[in-house]
Amino acid sequence: AQKVTQAQTEISVVEKEDVTLDCVYETRDTTYYLFWYKQPPSGELVFLIRRNSFDEQNEISGRYSWNFQKSTSSFNFTITASQVVDSAVYFCALSGTYSSASKIIFGSGTRLSIRP
Amino acid sequence: EPEVTQTPSHQVTQMGQEVILRCVPISNHLYFYWYRQILGQKVEFLVSFYNNEISEKSEIFDDQFSVERPDGSNFTLKIRSTKLEDSAMYFCGNDDGVSGNTIYFGEGSWLTVV
Repeated sequence: AQKVTQAQTEISVVEKEDVTLDCVYETRDTTYYLFWYKQPPSGELVFLIRRNSFDEQNEISGRYSWNFQKSTSSFNFTITASQVVDSAVYFCALSGTYSSASKIIFGSGTRLSIRP
Repeated sequence: EPEVTQTPSHQVTQMGQEVILRCVPISNHLYFYWYRQILGQKVEFLVSFYNNEISEKSEIFDDQFSVERPDGSNFTLKIRSTKLEDSAMYFCGNDDGVSGNTIYFGEGSWLTVV
């Protein structure tokens, strides 16, 4: 069975603080994809990143960085110098196969509030 | 980011009525998905669709639901005889089959059943 756990339901920090969103996953597949999506207050789901199970290199994109550790089945997301516009619900997700037309499974989400 | 377009953005319907949610996919993206999100809850998979047939469906996707591509381009989700518990945001997703399961979602259709 596949499962994504985001233990942090809500996080609130002051602007400019760094914040890390945790994600732990379970899968029996040897190859899989991991994702992060952002859901701002307007409601849409915005794709942020995809990482395949063979690539454990950390990735940085501007103020965003992702730490994939296969040994602990974690795919954490860090926002550096947070801004009010980062306020959103963030979903970690998992795809069980390496091929297309395969559903992705979402975690329950972490609501991030950045206070000015 | 590629765009998936969904209509309507918001629909209010009476319990027992039929609803059709529509999705205009990204060009050349041939894998389609519907997900739903009940207010404040997680995003749940409903169905995946490829080559004019359902690839996979969840236990939520019962006989009340159906999907099709009526004109070969748009992708629709039909909900027959809506129930109060069908009130949710419905997201259409699209995948090009190349970039590894990356599903791009539309802005969602918010369905309220009264």
